[in-house]
Amino acid sequence: AQSVAQPEDQVNVAEGNPLTVKCTYSVSGNPYLFWYVQYPNRGLQFLLKYITGDNLVKGSYGFEAEFNKSQTSFHLKKPSALVSDSALYFCAVRDVGGNTPLVFGKGTRLSVIA
Amino acid sequence: ETGVTQTPRHLVMGMTNKKSLKCEQHLGHNAMYWYKQSAKKPLELMFVYSLEERVENNSVPSRFSPECPNSSHLFLHLHTLQPEDSALYLCASSQGLSGYYNEQFFGPGTRLTVL
Repeated sequence: AQSVAQPEDQVNVAEGNPLTVKCTYSVSGNPYLFWYVQYPNRGLQFLLKYITGDNLVKGSYGFEAEFNKSQTSFHLKKPSALVSDSALYFCAVRDVGGNTPLVFGKGTRLSVIA
Repeated sequence: ETGVTQTPRHLVMGMTNKKSLKCEQHLGHNAMYWYKQSAKKPLELMFVYSLEERVENNSVPSRFSPECPNSSHLFLHLHTLQPEDSALYLCASSQGLSGYYNEQFFGPGTRLTVL
């Protein structure tokens, strides 16, 4: 079985400061990992994914995420937060060897304060 | 239109009504999904269709009935709903369930209110 945990319901950060949104996962084999963002009254938008290769993945809007196999983590990061980054962020995982849909975390609400 | 579209965007219905939600994807994908998003459970997978066949049904009450007439269209038929069914219903599509490029593309959702 595959699962993903986002331990923080809410993350607050000042504009211009670095931000981190945490995600840990569990799969039986190797993972495919994804981050999505949801702005108010919108559907989810794909940000970035890890399939294989470099552990540091760069995505849209200046976001990046680091895959850490030993810690089974895939934390989302951005060097300098913008007020417009305020949104709901979802981490998702699926097992490379499986034929199952993505499993999503419960989401983390990011608030960037001016 | 491009991407994934959903209609209506907002729907208010009584518990005895019958209504349908529509989703259309313009991406050439072959898998489509219905999710329920509420404050209680942020993102619940309801149904999955792959190549127009239902492959997953996550213990969803029978008052929700999906239909996938072709790979571009997905419906969610609603009847005798309960107030706790009020939520944002999201449709998504992807190219296969297990392919390399299988990130899901989401529609904007239908905000459903059951009175």
